[in-house]
Amino acid sequence: QVQLQESGPGLVKPSQTLSLTCTVSGGSISSGGYYWSWIRQHPGKGLEWIGYIYYSGSTYYNPSLKSRVTISVDTSKNQFSLKLSSVTAADTAVYYCARVPGVNTFGGVIVSAFDIWGQGTMVTVSS
Amino acid sequence: DIQMTQSPSSLSASVGDRVTITCRASQGISNSLAWYQQKPGKAPKLLLYAASRLESGVPSRFSGSGSGTDYTLTISSLQPEDFATYYCQQYYSTPPLTFGGGTKVEIK
Repeated sequence: QVQLQESGPGLVKPSQTLSLTCTVSGGSISSGGYYWSWIRQHPGKGLEWIGYIYYSGSTYYNPSLKSRVTISVDTSKNQFSLKLSSVTAADTAVYYCARVPGVNTFGGVIVSAFDIWGQGTMVTVSS
Repeated sequence: DIQMTQSPSSLSASVGDRVTITCRASQGISNSLAWYQQKPGKAPKLLLYAASRLESGVPSRFSGSGSGTDYTLTISSLQPEDFATYYCQQYYSTPPLTFGGGTKVEIK
């Protein structure tokens, strides 16, 4: 059974880059058929999709964060990662990684619902 | 972007009650809608996808319906473990994928 686990610093200074990694166990990122996602939740608030990546490296980002976000994949380690640059206190949130079934068609990416989630990791931006 | 509006934002109900939560999309999403349950300190859990398809292992007291822009999550008989926050999410148009603001179901 596939499981996801986030890891990374829980405290990041303002203006620095937030870096998180999601390790996938029980299945291979390279098997295809899924997009690997990052989602965040500000304290006491709703959910915000950050972006996702296919094992081939194709990425899709939320336009609201696109200028600051990089998602990458390391198939040899069965991991994918998030980098968010120039962070401020507004980036303080619980960050989740999640799996979403999907395919890339001629007309664009077609995805379904997020079926597996990591437990989440709290990241605080503070000096 | 497709905006998702949930109502109500919170509700109080008793064990055994029938509970209905509504989600409205800013444009038609052709049943490309998921519902999640989130308990405090936990990750969201997928309940339904394609508006009405129950995820494996989810109790049958959860059901979904709707079409076009309007969708509903119904819990037929509320159980103690159902007190949580529920989110809808559209996956018709990406990027971006978007979520509703959530509905907190509390004990009356």
